[in-house]
Amino acid sequence: AQKITQTQPGMFVQEKEAVTLDCTYDTSDQSYGLFWYKQPSSGEMIFLIYQGSYDEQNATEGRYSLNFQKARKSANLVISASQLGDSAMYFCAMRESGTGRRALTFGSGTRLQVQP
Amino acid sequence: GAGVSQSPSNKVTEKGKDVELRCDPISGHTALYWYRQSLGQGLEFLIYFQGNSAPDKSGLPSDRFSAERTGGSVSTLTIQRTQQEDSAVYLCASSPRVGGGAGETQYFGPGTRLLVL
Repeated sequence: AQKITQTQPGMFVQEKEAVTLDCTYDTSDQSYGLFWYKQPSSGEMIFLIYQGSYDEQNATEGRYSLNFQKARKSANLVISASQLGDSAMYFCAMRESGTGRRALTFGSGTRLQVQP
Repeated sequence: GAGVSQSPSNKVTEKGKDVELRCDPISGHTALYWYRQSLGQGLEFLIYFQGNSAPDKSGLPSDRFSAERTGGSVSTLTIQRTQQEDSAVYLCASSPRVGGGAGETQYFGPGTRLLVL
């Protein structure tokens, strides 16, 4: 089974509108962390936002917020007021603590295109 | 402050040759990770270093791949007898600490694009 599932290969959004990128995850650990990264065409992976499994409030970082629904095992990224510079690949990732492994498991990504 | 740096940014090599990829983590970061990003496989974990502990090599795809981290800082990923399927972007990341929480956030370098002809 996929650990991280991103079902939207591509998304379009109009500039200044909000967009939600979906991410569901699969783990039997009680303690885990969820991350979103942005990868522009230049290739670097840029950290956006983090949500811990025990965090009771949804994480927010500027225009980014994470809609964390633990019972549904979803961690959707919401980008408000989209900008042209938001056009990029977005990856959801998870770090599970139970196995002691520190590596991130990534989803397949969503390509977001912001249209003027 | 300076981010994670990697060199070279691009590497073209011939099948069968050995290559070395270098990573300089963010100063003070104790953990260092190598990942590979290829079209067919997405982002895959390769190896992880934490302080003086034995590295987690569980993601290395074959014994042609090895890595070391000297002095708890710079790391070198070596691929021996390169194959065409080794062509990918090799990404290095570092994190401030381990133990869970936001402090374990991994910050990535720009990557090395490897092309094996």
